[in-house]
Amino acid sequence: AQSVAQPEDQVNVAEGNPLTVKCTYSVSGNPYLFWYVQYPNRGLQFLLKYITGDNLVKGSYGFEAEFNKSQTSFHLKKPSALVSDSALYFCAVRDSDSGAGSYQLTFGKGTKLSVIP
Amino acid sequence: DSGVTQTPKHLITATGQRVTLRCSPRSGDLSVYWYQQSLDQGLQFLIQYYNGEERAKGNILERFSAQQFPDLHSELNLSSLELGDSALYFCASSVEGGTGKETQYFGPGTRLLVL
Repeated sequence: AQSVAQPEDQVNVAEGNPLTVKCTYSVSGNPYLFWYVQYPNRGLQFLLKYITGDNLVKGSYGFEAEFNKSQTSFHLKKPSALVSDSALYFCAVRDSDSGAGSYQLTFGKGTKLSVIP
Repeated sequence: DSGVTQTPKHLITATGQRVTLRCSPRSGDLSVYWYQQSLDQGLQFLIQYYNGEERAKGNILERFSAQQFPDLHSELNLSSLELGDSALYFCASSVEGGTGKETQYFGPGTRLLVL
């Protein structure tokens, strides 16, 4: 079984400060990890993913995420937050051992990021 | 814009009724996924189709069904609607030709309100 946890319902950060949105996962095989962002009344937009290789993944809009296998974490980061980054962020996982043909994602509950001017 | 389209954007109906939600995947994508997003349950996977065939089922109620047509668009049918079915329904698509590492791209969603 695969699961993902986002321990913070809300994160507040001042504009210009670095931001971190936390995500931990549980899988039986190797994880495929994804971050999505949802703006109000919009669909989910893909930010970045980790499949294999370099533990630091760079994505859209200046976001990056660090894969840490020992801590089973995949935290989303940005060096300098913008007010326009305020949105709902979802971490998702897919287990590489989930079986042929079954590629469903399991999502966390989401973290609301508020960037304060 | 992800390239995934969903219609209608909003749907208001009454309990006991039946509705159909439509999704067109990105050009070239063979897989379609349906998700339900509600305040209490979060984002939950319902069902996946690949090239016309059902591939995986999640927490989909028996009152709900889906299909994928030869032109690869998909429809989600919700029947005997209850108040608790009010939610945002998303469709996503992926190429799905490889090992399951492909990114799923989401449509804008259909907001269903059951009165």
